[in-house]
Amino acid sequence: AQTVTQSQPEMSVQEAETVTLSCTYDTSESNYYLFWYKQPPSRQMILVIRQEAYKQQNATENRFSVNFQKAAKSFSLKISDSQLGDTAMYFCAFMLYSGAGSYQLTFGKGTKLSVIP
Amino acid sequence: DTAVSQTPKYLVTQMGNDKSIKCEQNLGHDTMYWYKQDSKKFLKIMFSYNNKELIINETVPNRFSPKSPDKAHLNLHINSLELGDSAVYFCASSSQTGFEKLFFGSGTQLSVL
Repeated sequence: AQTVTQSQPEMSVQEAETVTLSCTYDTSESNYYLFWYKQPPSRQMILVIRQEAYKQQNATENRFSVNFQKAAKSFSLKISDSQLGDTAMYFCAFMLYSGAGSYQLTFGKGTKLSVIP
Repeated sequence: DTAVSQTPKYLVTQMGNDKSIKCEQNLGHDTMYWYKQDSKKFLKIMFSYNNKELIINETVPNRFSPKSPDKAHLNLHINSLELGDSAVYFCASSSQTGFEKLFFGSGTQLSVL
């Protein structure tokens, strides 16, 4: 079974500063996908960034980037130039193809990020 | 144009009642899911359906019964509601081809009194 661990239940960062959220996972599989989802108070699950395990290059999306260390099974999210709108719950997730067109997405317990003005 | 839509957004009901949550996706995806987010914000998969066929069925009480009339719809029916069923339920969909990711609905907050 796959597990995802987010060791920081809560974090805070000053506006315009940089913050890194940690995530580790455990799997014996070699092909999988990793995600960071953001859940603001509106409850909507918003995809922040996606990484394919077979790609060595770290994914980036504007102010968001990841540090993917496959051997260490680590997948941290860096948010640069933090904005008030980044305040949300952040979930790290591991996705595996489970057959018959279906994927299994396993989530960590989340990190609550507060951006302070 | 909402990609994955669920109704209702909020559902308040008494213990012992039966209720349904509806989900529809207009993305042409073959696979749909139900996830449960508990009071501690932990998200866990409940079911997945591919083209109306049940694929993933996690350890969920028999009181929960998903129904997929066609591949664009996956409804969740819950019998004999209990206090512990209070949670946010998310519907999602995915495609096997192209960009592999899950698209989530906006969630249904179920409160059982």
